[in-house]
Parts: sequence; C-alpha cells; structure tokens
Amino acid sequence: GAVVSQHPSWVICKSGTSVKIECRSLDFQATTMFWYRQFPKQSLMLMATSNEGSKATYEQGVEKDKFLINHASLTLSTLTVTSAHPEDSSFYICSARGTSIVETQYFGPGTRLLVL
Amino acid sequence: AQKVTQAQTEISVVEKEDVTLDCVYETRDTTYYLFWYKQPPSGELVFLIRRNSFDEQNEISGRYSWNFQKSTSSFNFTITASQVVDSAVYFCALSGYSGGSNYKLTFGKGTLLTVNP
Repeated sequence: GAVVSQHPSWVICKSGTSVKIECRSLDFQATTMFWYRQFPKQSLMLMATSNEGSKATYEQGVEKDKFLINHASLTLSTLTVTSAHPEDSSFYICSARGTSIVETQYFGPGTRLLVL
Repeated sequence: AQKVTQAQTEISVVEKEDVTLDCVYETRDTTYYLFWYKQPPSGELVFLIRRNSFDEQNEISGRYSWNFQKSTSSFNFTITASQVVDSAVYFCALSGYSGGSNYKLTFGKGTLLTVNP
C-alpha cells in the first residue's frame, strides 16, 4: 500500500516551453500533496503544499506564477513549470499524505527535468 | 523552529559491517514525529520508519534498528551486517505543529552510505 506515482520520470524541453508533471496516489486518498525540489547532493527543498480543492501554499522564495500547482482530486496533483529556463533544471519529487495531517508522507519516484 | 542535524555527510563501510547513522533534532513541540527515508541512486524516497514522540520504544526490523532517545533528542539508525544494496542516501526527518510548520517535514541534509563489497 501507499504507492505514489509520478509522470513523466524524465523530461527534456527547450527553454521557454511549459512542462507539466503529474503526481498520483494510487491506493489511498491524499488530502495533501507536497512538491519538493532537489539539487544534486542536497536535501529536499519544499516548494509548495497543495490541499485538494484549494489553492496551493508556496514556500518563501518560490514563484507562484512560475510553478503552477493544481490539486483537482484526492488522487492527483500537477505541477506545471511555466516558461522553463535552464535554471529550472532539477529533480522534482512529490509526496502525498492521507486524510490526517499527522500521517506519513509517501514519495513518488521523482521527475528529472532538463531545460536546454 | 524545527531542525534536524545529520552530522555524518558520508560513510563508507565494507559489506557485513554494522553501521549507525546519527540524527539529532530540535523542536519545541511535545508531540512530534520522526522518520527515516532511504534514497537509492534511482532517486525515489523510500519510507523506512515513523516514530511518535511519546513512544520511545526502540524498534527492529530485520537488519534495521532504530534507537530513539528523547533525553538526547536523537533518533539513530543502525544497519546490521550491511549489504551493497544498502548503499543510498538516508534522510532523517521531523514533523510537528509549531512554527507554522503544520506537520510538514523538516529534513536533515542526509548521509550518503556506501557499502563496498
């Protein structure tokens, strides 16, 4: 149980294009999903928290208009990197948490984004 | 504010050795949760264990064991008879309510464990 998927696992795009990453909880309902960014050999940096049916809460320093998050259902959240630039290249990981805020976060396999 | 410190950046051992990964945390909460996650080279974070602040009982799961001590604010992780497949980055994490964190995870910087054959 507690499986989270992410799609795509790899994406290469040209500068200026937008990229959408999907995060799905496969066997549980996720009231809250989280989006993280990880640079090589570093820890995870929380970008935003999304609750189903409401607007995402972004961490300080994260551009809302650059990283659009939608949490349309209890099993799906999407992160759209708009007008991507090379500095947006990174490893993006989502996690999902069940209906209680004290539940464990389960992580997806991550998406490696390379912007050329 | 919450903080997790993993002082060991990298550890290298030879297969079958025992290895302990240290984790020290800071929090003002009386109720909080501690976690260990494993991140193999593939990148996915694999959940290993969750511990509640009111349960100091140590836990063993196969070759893995965890030592939770509130008196020293530590939650150490020991792998017995390490194997090459244990090579990964291990993250300790904390969640609590204070400081507006609302049970978001605060991660340590991770410890890269390399098990050599």
